[in-house]
Amino acid sequence: DTEVTQTPKHLVMGMTNKKSLKCEQHMGHRAMYWYKQKAKKPPELMFVYSYEKLSINESVPSRFSPECPNSSLLNLHLHALQPEDSALYLCASSQDGTSGALGEQFFGPGTRLTVL
Amino acid sequence: AQSVSQHNHHVILSEAASLELGCNYSYGGTVNLFWYVQYPGQHLQLLLKYFSGDPLVKGIKGFEAEFIKSKFSFNLRKPSVQWSDTAEYFCAVIPWGYQKVTFGIGTKLQVIP
Repeated sequence: DTEVTQTPKHLVMGMTNKKSLKCEQHMGHRAMYWYKQKAKKPPELMFVYSYEKLSINESVPSRFSPECPNSSLLNLHLHALQPEDSALYLCASSQDGTSGALGEQFFGPGTRLTVL
Repeated sequence: AQSVSQHNHHVILSEAASLELGCNYSYGGTVNLFWYVQYPGQHLQLLLKYFSGDPLVKGIKGFEAEFIKSKFSFNLRKPSVQWSDTAEYFCAVIPWGYQKVTFGIGTKLQVIP
């Protein structure tokens, strides 16, 4: 299995809602990532988990809360989002997040989030 | 901090034309280099990658890229493009010892039948 799966594919939420995005991989990878991609822009890194511990937070607002329950799962909890948070949220994983072949990242299809 | 420059933001080619997309990065140390493609409405897919060894790297769908260390470049090439190559192309860099991928701004390629 060389896939990263993400659910849901699409999500529409109001500014007062609480929702979660889910990411899963069964490649035995120990590093997982959340990216945000706005239309016609490159992906921007949000968070990195390495061996189930948060290793990088790119100054993301607290209305985004990541969670890594185990080495295969990565969640992104959303609360009180703003319309400008509407974007494609991508999950990725790599073997262990370090350099060389171990650092190659495999991307999921993304969740298209719309905040009303 | 490292940065990645993609010089061509929007390229329009006729089918069978040759393609070269430029990518330069700014980082003095060892890097891993990637080209990703994003077809309309689809997710990022890896085209090719360079870690070490032969600087000429061959990827999927007839793409190749050449790493020129002295020029800090990793240009993407394809001898003859097809309409199905219409997509956004992103160059990306990971310096050794770092977890953060830095993406270029992307090049939108439009191939006209």
